[in-house]
Amino acid sequence: DAGITQSPRHKVTETGTPVTLRCHQTENHRYMYWYRQDPGHGLRLIHYSYGVKDTDKGEVSDGYSVSRSKTEDFLLTLESATSSQTSVYFCAISESTTITDTQYFGPGTRLTVL
Amino acid sequence: SQKIEQNSEALNIQEGKTATLTCNYTNYSPAYLQWYRQDPGRGPVFLLLIRENEKEKRKERLKVTFDTTLKQSLFHITASQPADSATYLCALRALTFGQGTILTVHP
Repeated sequence: DAGITQSPRHKVTETGTPVTLRCHQTENHRYMYWYRQDPGHGLRLIHYSYGVKDTDKGEVSDGYSVSRSKTEDFLLTLESATSSQTSVYFCAISESTTITDTQYFGPGTRLTVL
Repeated sequence: SQKIEQNSEALNIQEGKTATLTCNYTNYSPAYLQWYRQDPGRGPVFLLLIRENEKEKRKERLKVTFDTTLKQSLFHITASQPADSATYLCALRALTFGQGTILTVHP
């Protein structure tokens, strides 16, 4: 998985609680991404980062925030989890100086919000 | 906004046959298009990239075509094997993904 780890790999939480997912890379790639994958919707971009402290929104960013204080770490936070945020979350990285390069994906985090 | 569709949710074929998967997009033609493979419980893995000025790209048993007139890319696996069974995703410029086609190759 190209030096990408995600933690936790599985999490069950209750509606209204905050949740933070972590993505860690050892490749020193500039770009990092968070996606969610749901049946019938495929992969959808939540947020991405193009450098330390530089982030931007994706297609489905409502209810999510991100932070990147170090090149190797990209955090995804659900401030107040809802059942609609039950999903599998994938982190990805890419090397290029544009945002249009090949992406390498982590193993995913399965999040269940009860 | 740009949309991408893979018009087969599932494809079942016999071992040894050629699998052909379709990816269609709307609006403007992307500079390039990518194909990924995803196995159950794992993240997608990059397979091939084809640029808009390339008609065809090959890698071993894989072939991708790109028709900007039809706004379509075709992904072929020749001499398919049960180990090719997986979900295949196309992506526009690596940020917009199709829903995927589940390919099952029967022995």
